[in-house]
Amino acid sequence: QITLKESGPTLVKPTQTLTLTCTFSGFSLSTSGVGVGWIRQPPGKALEWLALIYWDDDKRYSPSLKSRLTITKDTSKNQVVLTMTNMDPVDTATYYCARDGYDVGFFDYWGQGTLVTVSS
Amino acid sequence: DIQLTQSPSFLSASVGDRVTITCRASQGISSYLAWYQQKPGKAPKLLIYAASTLQSGVPSRFSGSGSGTEFTLTISSLQPEDFATYYCQQLNSYLTFGGGTKVEIK
Repeated sequence: QITLKESGPTLVKPTQTLTLTCTFSGFSLSTSGVGVGWIRQPPGKALEWLALIYWDDDKRYSPSLKSRLTITKDTSKNQVVLTMTNMDPVDTATYYCARDGYDVGFFDYWGQGTLVTVSS
Repeated sequence: DIQLTQSPSFLSASVGDRVTITCRASQGISSYLAWYQQKPGKAPKLLIYAASTLQSGVPSRFSGSGSGTEFTLTISSLQPEDFATYYCQQLNSYLTFGGGTKVEIK
């Protein structure tokens, strides 16, 4: 059974750095072709892809947010970490991690999401 | 960046109706398109990938078609559990999602 779960702060202040952890089970990020990505969704709005890391440590970022994002993996812990710097109230959203099981960029398993509010 | 435009953004339909949602890409993306269903308060669920391949476990009333810049998601006979928001996603160049189509009960 494949599961993913996001963890991190629910509230961050403007200008702070957000660190989110995705802990997964049921698959390995050392398996060829597998990736884990982050997607966010502001309240009442559409989905926005943020970043993706693959089994071979290939990393991809949304061009519009690339300067603020870092994605890393710890294969031994089955975790992927996303950091986003210089948080702003417009970054308030539910943040999801999800698996790319086919090495092409769509997501077949998703975490439940975690709501992050940016406010002073 | 490749932009995806979904239409309509809102759709009112009845149980049993045939429903079609369109996703247009700002440039050609071959068949690198996926469709997701999202219910309120839940994570998205993958329905279709590679434009027309049904994800395992997804009912056969869902189908996808298209290539290049125009794609469609069709629900052949709308069921009560299908009332949700649907998103397309392109995988050809970076990743982007469409703006969503909300399907509500008429």
